[in-house]
Amino acid sequence: GAVVSQHPSRVICKSGTSVKIECRSLDFQATTMFWYRQFPKQSLMLMATSNEGSKATYEQGVEKDKFLINHASLTLSTLTVTSAHPEDSSFYICSAGQGQNQPQHFGDGTRLSIL
Amino acid sequence: AQSVAQPEDQVNVAEGNPLTVKCTYSVSGNPYLFWYVQYPNRGLQFLLKYITGDNLVKGSYGFEAEFNKSQTSFHLKKPSALVSDSALYFCAVRPYNTDKLIFGTGTRLQVFP
Repeated sequence: GAVVSQHPSRVICKSGTSVKIECRSLDFQATTMFWYRQFPKQSLMLMATSNEGSKATYEQGVEKDKFLINHASLTLSTLTVTSAHPEDSSFYICSAGQGQNQPQHFGDGTRLSIL
Repeated sequence: AQSVAQPEDQVNVAEGNPLTVKCTYSVSGNPYLFWYVQYPNRGLQFLLKYITGDNLVKGSYGFEAEFNKSQTSFHLKKPSALVSDSALYFCAVRPYNTDKLIFGTGTRLQVFP
């Protein structure tokens, strides 16, 4: 149980394109979803926290107009990288939480490459 | 500031030998503690957690971790390493008053045949 599906797994696109990444909890309802960014050989950097039906809470230094997060239901959150540029190239990972005593469950990540 | 330290960038161990991956934390209150494993180009897989109770926690794939409150440590251990255990391991802490995880910098485990 506790499977999180993230799509697409890899995106290669031109600079200026907007890219949408989906994160779904397949067999549980996620009270909270999280979006992370991971640079090569580095740890995960939390970008934002989203709760169903409310605005996402962004971490300091993360541009909310650049990284749009929508949490439409208890099983789906999306991250849209708007007008992506090469510096946005990275590995993006989502996770879903079931509650305070439970671990976050992670998707398999999306490798975004902007040419 | 709250933080998690994984002092070793890489741990090398021979197959069949015991392994330890170290983690210490600096967080106020009584945090929840987690270990995750990451394989190349994949997300993180949950291994085990400590919430309360017995200091020795057993998790997936034969891994276990020992919580030491006085040393603020939560080292990951396995009695007999497998080559397939080679991966990147992350220690994470959730302070008691938040849903957010604070991750360590990760330790790459390399198990040699």
